[in-house]
Amino acid sequence: DAKTTQPNSMESNEEEPVHLPCNHSTISGTDYIHWYRQLPSQGPEYVIHGLTSNVNNRMASLAIAEDRKSSTLILHRATLRDAAVYYCILRDETWYSSASKIIFGSGTRLSIRP
Amino acid sequence: GAVVSQHPSRVICKSGTSVKIECRSLDFQATTMFWYRQFPKQSLMLMATSNEGSKATYEQGVEKDKFLINHASLTLSTLTVTSAHPEDSSFYICSAREGGSNQPQHFGDGTRLSIL
Repeated sequence: DAKTTQPNSMESNEEEPVHLPCNHSTISGTDYIHWYRQLPSQGPEYVIHGLTSNVNNRMASLAIAEDRKSSTLILHRATLRDAAVYYCILRDETWYSSASKIIFGSGTRLSIRP
Repeated sequence: GAVVSQHPSRVICKSGTSVKIECRSLDFQATTMFWYRQFPKQSLMLMATSNEGSKATYEQGVEKDKFLINHASLTLSTLTVTSAHPEDSSFYICSAREGGSNQPQHFGDGTRLSIL
């Protein structure tokens, strides 16, 4: 499985933007970049995903490097409810691929200061 | 959006008993379901993948006779932890996908299993 590297932890202030980095230097052409987050005592929650172009949704933005070897999840205005573990995951989405199951790395634990 | 429901959310039982956890897709047909396990302060670890009507595929190191998975319908999968022991205490999370590999994978809210 293609591997991702994330910082173990990050801290940010409430109401400020947060940039969560992810390195994936061995990404292949059919790998999509997915971000999930896990709040305490809950299952993972989908945040955003993309292939090559930057993506925006109501939760966050995803900025993907031109060479696709890194990406950044951007929370535009952090709230206390955004405190969670954020996972950056590569997923082969070729429709017949047996490698499309989601494998979690260690993620980044994000703390938000009030 | 797609909802995956797990039941129970928490279970406490004595060592040696078997425990069944249910995972249901509420508004879509889950052709593929996944079971994960998560120990405190660790990441999720994939245990097995099951397709409806087929035997589950277990990840390396996961005992299939210990963790019985049944995926008999397109909306229900069950995980049975047989003869549970304290070391089986963990947070078990199911996930479901409708259709092919390029479809989203949705997660349940987990079941916290405590074996006394």
